[in-house]
Amino acid sequence: DTAVSQTPKYLVTQMGNDKSIKCEQNLGHDTMYWYKQDSKKFLKIMFSYNNKELIINETVPNRFSPKSPDKAHLNLHINSLELGDSAVYFCASSQVVAAVSYEQYFGPGTRLTVT
Amino acid sequence: RKEVEQDPGPFNVPEGATVAFNCTYSNSASQSFFWYRQDCRKEPKLLMSVYSSGNEDGRFTAQLNRASQYISLLIRDSKLSDSATYLCVGNQGGKLIFGQGTELSVKP
Repeated sequence: DTAVSQTPKYLVTQMGNDKSIKCEQNLGHDTMYWYKQDSKKFLKIMFSYNNKELIINETVPNRFSPKSPDKAHLNLHINSLELGDSAVYFCASSQVVAAVSYEQYFGPGTRLTVT
Repeated sequence: RKEVEQDPGPFNVPEGATVAFNCTYSNSASQSFFWYRQDCRKEPKLLMSVYSSGNEDGRFTAQLNRASQYISLLIRDSKLSDSATYLCVGNQGGKLIFGQGTELSVKP
């Protein structure tokens, strides 16, 4: 069984559109994350949710809005897509104890291409 | 200065070679570290966790030197299947900080 799953795997869309990416984990972890990996391969954290509460929000444009309906799901909605949003978006999950994050497990990624 | 810095790479080595990757971190408050492996167009996968001075798992050895703020990964008897990008990762207050990765290519 897949531990962290994301849909869709590929997403091609035009500038200005709004799109969503979904993530689910079945590991029982309490914390979930969204990362962006651009063409230079740097992985940068965007958001983190702990038990449905936003705990990390890096300097991400407010066109990006995460939503966590429960601790097993973290979705990412992007409004008014721009060319620079093209990247691979990874979801991850981990257990956090006393502000220490243990190993994070990543989903397979969503390759977003904005044309 | 980047929070987590790695050897630039790429490393091209023959099968059976021993290869070492180095990583330095700038925040002494980092509590733990990880080495992840990322294959082309795939997600990062955990290779090793480093909570104290080091860790060993088969052909892989990670060492942590808190005084010098330095972590290393040693791969012995490298295999073709070790070809990947290796990511050094620091952990600060529940947030993982990734290095830029070092590419390893193991040739026959």
